[in-house]
Amino acid sequence: DTAVSQTPKYLVTQMGNDKSIKCEQNLGHDTMYWYKQDSKKFLKIMFSYNNKELIINETVPNRFSPKSPDKAHLNLHINSLELGDSAVYFCASSQDARGGYEQYFGPGTRLTVT
Amino acid sequence: LAKTTQPISMDSYEGQEVNITCSHNNIATNDYITWYQQFPSQGPRFIIQGYKTKVTNEVASLFIPADRKSSTLSLPRVSLSDTAVYYCLVGANNAGNMLTFGGGTRLMVKP
Repeated sequence: DTAVSQTPKYLVTQMGNDKSIKCEQNLGHDTMYWYKQDSKKFLKIMFSYNNKELIINETVPNRFSPKSPDKAHLNLHINSLELGDSAVYFCASSQDARGGYEQYFGPGTRLTVT
Repeated sequence: LAKTTQPISMDSYEGQEVNITCSHNNIATNDYITWYQQFPSQGPRFIIQGYKTKVTNEVASLFIPADRKSSTLSLPRVSLSDTAVYYCLVGANNAGNMLTFGGGTRLMVKP
């Protein structure tokens, strides 16, 4: 009955590979997000989808491509992985994109690129 | 851009009240103030949110002065399990780069 789930929890891969992280929420929320948390613990928004439509696309390399097959899922695909992509990636959801709605975060995916 | 500034770390003892202040001088009219708690190896967890004045729930209180340029998260009678990083976030959920959390405040509760 996990509200926001992510798979895998850990991902170790080599530079140049392509990998995906999956996210699902069972809260019936309209809006989902991807965040990156670096080694200094700063959480930075990467993307946000509202009802399967992209509404936030921050300055991230276009090697990162989100895909939302339905409003309960927001997957993150990363091409040609680089060492600097190593971080913890969090998925989150909120009731909608307006202010005043809390975000529910997943457990995170720790990506290590070697 | 409503950047936030918080103390990097704070120490407290069990049973004390802890107040963490966040400065957000450039807060916009539509911005909400939200506080999250994060334990190691977990995602942030919502604590409390407010727009103005005072908000209280079962775990914390949030004090927001009239000018809204700062806010104070108050944790009553902390316990060891409150040791975590606390993030202040200012903005709306559709506000792009306003959803960047700052470095947070690392609270250490000692016995």
